[in-house]
Amino acid sequence: QQPVQSPQAVILREGEDAVINCSSSKALYSVHWYRQKHGEAPVFLMILLKGGEQKGHEKISASFNEKKQQSSLYLTASQLSYSGTYFCGTEKSYNTDKLIFGTGTRLQVFP
Amino acid sequence: EAGVAQSPRYKIIEKRQSVAFWCNPISGHATLYWYQQILGQGPKLLIQFQNNGVVDDSQLPKDRFSAERLKGVDSTLKIQPAKLEDSAVYLCASSFSGANTGELFFGEGSRLTVL
Repeated sequence: QQPVQSPQAVILREGEDAVINCSSSKALYSVHWYRQKHGEAPVFLMILLKGGEQKGHEKISASFNEKKQQSSLYLTASQLSYSGTYFCGTEKSYNTDKLIFGTGTRLQVFP
Repeated sequence: EAGVAQSPRYKIIEKRQSVAFWCNPISGHATLYWYQQILGQGPKLLIQFQNNGVVDDSQLPKDRFSAERLKGVDSTLKIQPAKLEDSAVYLCASSFSGANTGELFFGEGSRLTVL
């Protein structure tokens, strides 16, 4: 079952904040976040494991609510380089090792 | 460190023709994935290998798609015969020990256009 992301698209000015959500109808073991720039390969941002803590890296952080089967990606003080499409990837359990990607959120940051 | 290599980058064929894509993962990565990404959508998993064995191919349209990973290193994805709806970017990814422990490294993809 493909996770659903919201919003579908976000337009920001440099320095503004954004939140991208990822929801699954099934219980999750882990959530991954990737960013894909136009015409390029997806690039890993972070992984959140069940029972783990909120993670962050520079001004991009994420949380994982296991009970609600949701994850949120927080982009703070956005930069032009943040533009791209963000995908969450979810795993149902430790043994599946199978990553199902979400519907995607397109983020555009303007000067 | 060399990344995931894929070829060809672009391929245009007519429907009912065949096509093959090649992927060489990062050295030492046991797990290899093929994803199909249709324009505007998220990558869809087609097949997952652990070394040279298939872990999951439940989403692979086996009547026309086939994939192999001989010797547990590089892999080939074949489509025969191609349909219009197969137009997509085919992404190969690899990981050291699987998605549950860390990141997938993606290649730049092979863009297929079926006319």
